Amino acid sequence: GAGVSQSPSNKVTEKGKDVELRCDPISGHTALYWYRQRLGQGLEFLIYFQGNSAPDKSGLPSDRFSAERTGESVSTLTIQRTQQEDSAVYLCASSLGLTRGYTFGSGTRLTVV
Amino acid sequence: AQRVTQPEKLLSVFKGAPVELKCNYSYSGSPELFWYVQYSRQRLQLLLRHISRESIKGFTADLNKGETSFHLKKPFAQEEDSAMYYCALSVNAGKSTFGDGTTLTVKP
Repeated sequence: GAGVSQSPSNKVTEKGKDVELRCDPISGHTALYWYRQRLGQGLEFLIYFQGNSAPDKSGLPSDRFSAERTGESVSTLTIQRTQQEDSAVYLCASSLGLTRGYTFGSGTRLTVV
Repeated sequence: AQRVTQPEKLLSVFKGAPVELKCNYSYSGSPELFWYVQYSRQRLQLLLRHISRESIKGFTADLNKGETSFHLKKPFAQEEDSAMYYCALSVNAGKSTFGDGTTLTVKP
């Protein structure tokens, strides 16, 4: 596609429910990243996929968080048993390589009530 | 661990004045550095990369390894430059560490 697409754009969920966030990267971008941005704070790295290599999961805050990516296409970030502290904007980005920088999606605003 | 510090959370200048957004990083090797910008109601987008030594929308940034800085500069600020600016550092297979951002307001 022309850009990185994320869905849904907004999600309100009840505490304890599971949510699934989707990211469609730019076609041909081998690298895909998930970040979290809490209100008034910077971007917090969650997970990184590069081609068929094992993902870098070092930023996932707990085992309630998981992510998958099929080949070099769509990725889903799943949060199980959501907590209020999970409320944030979840950003996805894709890239052609280290020196090229990221192209970001518009984010999913998650609110846990 | 790598760290990016943007010491100013808020920065306000008048139209036509020079502007400098500060960015300091901690990393002992050769980093890849970037500036990203987020205009109101738009998505975060890449502004410039240090490796390309380019000027985008009148902005430039020079990597100073001695001072571990990558400050963003523009000689004459415009109202449309008002936005949130993030400095980012990539050192390990493309994963980036971001600063907390600086909100720039250019007053008429």
